[in-house]
Amino acid sequence: QVQLQQWGAGLLKPSETLSLTCAVYGGSFSGYSWTWIRQPPGKGLEWIGEINDSGSTKYNASLKSRGTISLDTSKNQFSLKVTSVTAADTAVYYCARVVWGAISPWGQGTLVAVS
Amino acid sequence: SSELTQDPAVSVALGQTVRITCQGDSLRNYYASWYQQKPGQAPVVVIYGRTNRPSGIPDRFSGASSGNTASLTITGAQAEDEADYYCSSRDSSGYHWVFGGGTKLTVL
Repeated sequence: QVQLQQWGAGLLKPSETLSLTCAVYGGSFSGYSWTWIRQPPGKGLEWIGEINDSGSTKYNASLKSRGTISLDTSKNQFSLKVTSVTAADTAVYYCARVVWGAISPWGQGTLVAVS
Repeated sequence: SSELTQDPAVSVALGQTVRITCQGDSLRNYYASWYQQKPGQAPVVVIYGRTNRPSGIPDRFSGASSGNTASLTITGAQAEDEADYYCSSRDSSGYHWVFGGGTKLTVL
């Protein structure tokens, strides 16, 4: 069964770069797309972007070109970087797999606070 | 703002049936998927492809879709079903994902 485990810095200062990595265990990395989603405290889910196994990416325009998703197929990992963070980027960030018209499974989530 | 619209909160008596709806133009072309999120946990898909239920999800969860509206029905709601529920689909372009604002389900 596929499991996603994510990690990265949890406390940032304004203008710094958010960096998170997600590792995929127990399943194929190729043949799927991989995505990042965030959830501000007490609020709903926001799709950040997606990368397929060929490295083609799509992003939410709300990030205003600050976000970059990359993958390392040799390690079965994919990563998210968001530059010039502000308090508005404070959220729980989730990595997840896109499969059969759904997003599943999800990583455990990482709280990133900007202060 | 979400391109998918959900009622913010719904309540249901224990053992009764509840339907949670999601409206949006993208649903005319793309199936909705539904996610259950309990406090402090990551979301879990409960319905995808309109009516498909992943293994391990109780069969009291079902999905339907008509026009620009998708719905999640819980038949015989249990206390453990109390959670936030989010719908999602590809957006109208087909390239991005969008989420509804979420519905907080209370089981009385």
